[in-house]
Amino acid sequence: AQTVTQSQPEMSVQEAETVTLSCTYDTSESNYYLFWYKQPPSRQMILVIRQEAYKQQNATENRFSVNFQKAAKSFSLKISDSQLGDTAMYFCAFSRAGGYQKVTFGTGTKLQVIP
Amino acid sequence: GAGVSQSPSNKVTEKGKDVELRCDPISGHTALYWYRQRLGQGLEFLIYFQGNSAPDKSGLPSDRFSAERTGESVSTLTIQRTQQEDSAVYLCASSLVQGQGWQPQHFGDGTRLSIL
Repeated sequence: AQTVTQSQPEMSVQEAETVTLSCTYDTSESNYYLFWYKQPPSRQMILVIRQEAYKQQNATENRFSVNFQKAAKSFSLKISDSQLGDTAMYFCAFSRAGGYQKVTFGTGTKLQVIP
Repeated sequence: GAGVSQSPSNKVTEKGKDVELRCDPISGHTALYWYRQRLGQGLEFLIYFQGNSAPDKSGLPSDRFSAERTGESVSTLTIQRTQQEDSAVYLCASSLVQGQGWQPQHFGDGTRLSIL
């Protein structure tokens, strides 16, 4: 079974600053995907970024980037130039590659961007 | 086209009553997932549909929970004899078939279920 751990229940950052959200995971799978999802108050889950485990290069999406450390089973999210619209719950998640996506989620980090 | 639609948006019911939650996936999406999100928690996988069959029901918490899908489209999640611990947001997601490489899951806005 897979586990995903987010040890920061809440974080805050000043607008325009950079913040890093932490995530660790455990799995015996050799190939898998890691994700960061954003959940605003509307409840809809929005995919922020995806990392394929067999790729060494860290994924980036505009202001969002990850630091993927496969040996350490660590997957952190860096948000640069934080904006008020980034205020949300952020969930780290895992799914095995191949077949259907049974996604395992962490417990989330509540991020508040302060003007 | 429209995204994943869930109804009702909110449901309040008395303990012991049965409830039905509905999910309309994106047209053409053959994969459909149900998740439960308890207050302050991440999402828990409940069930996966490929077409109208459910090859993975491993997340359903008890035999009070059931789900079906018809016409490779609408799915309903039914909770019988509701208990207070069933209070949660129930989220549905759909995607294209996974066998053609990774496909993103598209989520609905969920149904907030409150059991009095």
